[in-house]
Amino acid sequence: NAGVTQTPKFQVLKTGQSMTLQCAQDMNHNSMYWYRQDPGMGLRLIYYSASEGTTDKGEVPNGYNVSRLNKREFSLRLESAAPSQTSVYFCASSVPRLPTRVTGELFFGEGSRLTVL
Amino acid sequence: KNEVEQSPQNLTAQEGEFITINCSYSVGISALHWLQQHPGGGIVSLFMLSSGKKKHGRLIATINIQEKHSSLHITASHPRDSAVYICATPPHNFGNEKLTFGTGTRLTIIP
Repeated sequence: NAGVTQTPKFQVLKTGQSMTLQCAQDMNHNSMYWYRQDPGMGLRLIYYSASEGTTDKGEVPNGYNVSRLNKREFSLRLESAAPSQTSVYFCASSVPRLPTRVTGELFFGEGSRLTVL
Repeated sequence: KNEVEQSPQNLTAQEGEFITINCSYSVGISALHWLQQHPGGGIVSLFMLSSGKKKHGRLIATINIQEKHSSLHITASHPRDSAVYICATPPHNFGNEKLTFGTGTRLTIIP
């Protein structure tokens, strides 16, 4: 059971280049998330998808787009990378405990370290 | 906005010591997560709790809803426990899309 798989693990981009981070989970989870982790700061939510076919902005969505391709896959795209997007990116998934929406356990990928020069 | 604070920021201890990491938050919550992140590695969920206490092996998590405080304890600490421990919580009636994460406690266990 692979859990949550992210690719690539490392990437170096030049300012203005584009790239897509891929994420897939095999746990049949409804909810998926993209976070960024920067030194001295807590994880911050970029975008999330509560279920297949829906996506919503998180705390820091500017400069990013997402696609929930199907229930398994949730990709994050940087259309025109900027040095401020240098970070470690984590994909996660969870099962929301409806109907009270009590938070469900989170499962994270291994992270993708992105450097924008 | 929920403020989540962890203490201490850094903790170094000898192997075998009892470890306590604290997490305080500012608003009513529905549940609290404790996560572990090894150096250069991914993030693993340790606990999710909404009341009382949970235990898994040498790890114990407690939460006091009235005092808005949670603790993570490690008994008989071991060098493999060296990691960053992160707490995170959403406000009451919200799910993971509203999580606020602490900045983490870096734990180093010396053999």
